[in-house]
Amino acid sequence: AQSVTQLGSHVSVSEGALVLLRCNYSSSVPPYLFWYVQYPNQGLQLLLKYTSAATLVKGINGFEAEFKKSETSFHLTKPSAHMSDAAEYFCAVNSNYQLIWGAGTKLIIKP
Amino acid sequence: GAGVSQSPRYKVAKRGQDVALRCDPISGHVSLFWYQQALGQGPEFLTYFQNEAQLDKSGLPSDRFFAERPEGSVSTLKIQRTQQEDSAVYLCASTLLYGDEQYFGPGTRLTVT
Repeated sequence: AQSVTQLGSHVSVSEGALVLLRCNYSSSVPPYLFWYVQYPNQGLQLLLKYTSAATLVKGINGFEAEFKKSETSFHLTKPSAHMSDAAEYFCAVNSNYQLIWGAGTKLIIKP
Repeated sequence: GAGVSQSPRYKVAKRGQDVALRCDPISGHVSLFWYQQALGQGPEFLTYFQNEAQLDKSGLPSDRFFAERPEGSVSTLKIQRTQQEDSAVYLCASTLLYGDEQYFGPGTRLTVT
């Protein structure tokens, strides 16, 4: 069965610093992988997705993620954090029609 | 419509009341999902529709929860005899293609007092 693990329920970085949010998955089939962002009191918005094409996926707002099959990872990065990036981030893997979700990582940006 | 819409955005119910939450998916999207999201957690799957057919309701926590999508577009999630543990944000999502990215509505925050 597919599963997703996000390391760190909270990550704090300074404005302008590198953002790294970790996601590891388990899947018995080649996965589709997703990162979503949720701002307070809003629904989830797709940041980027991996669907077995290029392993480095670029998304919105300057985020990107790299699929590493050998490490079963799909970590999310952004070179320089902005205050507007403060939100909760969820990694998900597809399982037939469903998405299996990680528990989320809250990104805190320090001025 | 331009995106998935949900109504109401906020609902306060007294314990024991029935509530109905509405979801309007993106026009033409075949698949529709309902999720429950507790504070500080990821979405938990409740149920899945393909057109008007409810193909999976394994995530519904009890028989007090009921969902329908009679014409394959708008969906309603009904909770009977609400309990405090039902307090959560209820999210609706739709997809065009099987297994593809899901488009989410803003959610309905239900508070049971």
